[in-house]
Amino acid sequence: GAVVSQHPSWVICKSGTSVKIECRSLDFQATTMFWYRQFPKQSLMLMATSNEGSKATYEQGVEKDKFLINHASLTLSTLTVTSAHPEDSSFYICSVYGIQRSYEQYFGPGTRLTVT
Amino acid sequence: AQSVAQPEDQVNVAEGNPLTVKCTYSVSGNPYLFWYVQYPNRGLQFLLKYITGDNLVKGSYGFEAEFNKSQTSFHLKKPSALVSDSALYFCAVRDRDAGNMLTFGGGTRLMVKP
Repeated sequence: GAVVSQHPSWVICKSGTSVKIECRSLDFQATTMFWYRQFPKQSLMLMATSNEGSKATYEQGVEKDKFLINHASLTLSTLTVTSAHPEDSSFYICSVYGIQRSYEQYFGPGTRLTVT
Repeated sequence: AQSVAQPEDQVNVAEGNPLTVKCTYSVSGNPYLFWYVQYPNRGLQFLLKYITGDNLVKGSYGFEAEFNKSQTSFHLKKPSALVSDSALYFCAVRDRDAGNMLTFGGGTRLMVKP
């Protein structure tokens, strides 16, 4: 199956700083990538959909200027949490959806962000 | 709009007994249905999917699910539970006529006791 990696797996940062999370599709070209966040004991909430070479589409209630998404290539998408605050602490998971595997999404291992 | 309901926050089963994790869905068109499992501090792992064809779908680790169109359900089952099956399970749906967005249920925690 597809392999999706995320880096870092966990990060602790101070309030007010920015953090970049990388998502890589390792064995196929991902035309579409999704970013989710998950609070403890809760389901996944879709934050945004990014398509290679175009602007991301953000879900209602997600601040696009705070959560910057870049999908510069078919194998890499990045999520930057700008001016992080403690309430941004969460588990962030990326997912890839490639035209070659038209029915399934493959998920990364997640990134645990803690803002102090 | 599409939605998924997992009515049980937690399911408790004794090892060796059969297990069922319930899922119902709502879509405007025809559904693609999925089950994923999540272990602590890990991403989601794909278990199985229903796209078309046979209503009984077999997946990884001995799990299976049955698509029931009239009841709009896609319950996850396993004949004999293992302690290692203890995890968080998510049902998800995509409307095949409405793009790529996958909608998740709230998740069900499965606890298998020895």
